[in-house]
Amino acid sequence: ILNVEQSPQSLHVQEGDSTNFTCSFPSSNFYALHWYRWETAKSPEALFVMTLNGDEKKKGRISATLNTKEGYSYLYIKGSQPEDSATYLCAFIADNFNKFYFGSGTKLNVKP
Amino acid sequence: DVKVTQSSRYLVKRTGEKVFLECVQDMDHENMFWYRQDPGLGLRLIYFSYDVKMKEKGDIPEGYSVSREKKERFSLILESASTNQTSMYLCASSPGDGLLAKNIQYFGAGTRLSVL
Repeated sequence: ILNVEQSPQSLHVQEGDSTNFTCSFPSSNFYALHWYRWETAKSPEALFVMTLNGDEKKKGRISATLNTKEGYSYLYIKGSQPEDSATYLCAFIADNFNKFYFGSGTKLNVKP
Repeated sequence: DVKVTQSSRYLVKRTGEKVFLECVQDMDHENMFWYRQDPGLGLRLIYFSYDVKMKEKGDIPEGYSVSREKKERFSLILESASTNQTSMYLCASSPGDGLLAKNIQYFGAGTRLSVL
């Protein structure tokens, strides 16, 4: 089983703050990295699929970067809103293992 | 929109009972997955299936079995529930074009199972 780590485990910010968190994964055999958002009482939903070193993806106020050589991805939220409160999961896919390896998630709470 | 439906949001069962968790997807996806999620741990893969009647063990298959008789339905079976199977169970599906793990997964809302 591959080790995928997310930090911090939880984060409390005020509305309007910008924030970021990290997903660390093995730097060898990289195939893809996915980010998901999981709101309470809802299904996890895909945010980004990242495949190339140096990839940057953006969706509204949320963006992500990828460094496959050093094995990390950052997720940024600009001007956090209460509706951004959720657990953010990353999933690493290796090219020699045909499955996902999920991190334990970063739980974000945005206070109004 | 892809919809993955899990039959129950909350379930309470007794030790030793046989438990069925049902999952149905409506997008004709080839691949279906069962995960469990426990505090402080990532989603852990129990079983997956890439075709009707096909199944593969994930990382933690002990104590579970699965059934996929129809493409849209993937069932997780706890043969004899135990307290250490108290957890959140998530079902997911994905399209089957190429490498199993390359496509994003579409998740159900989860079933929170308590085994007493």
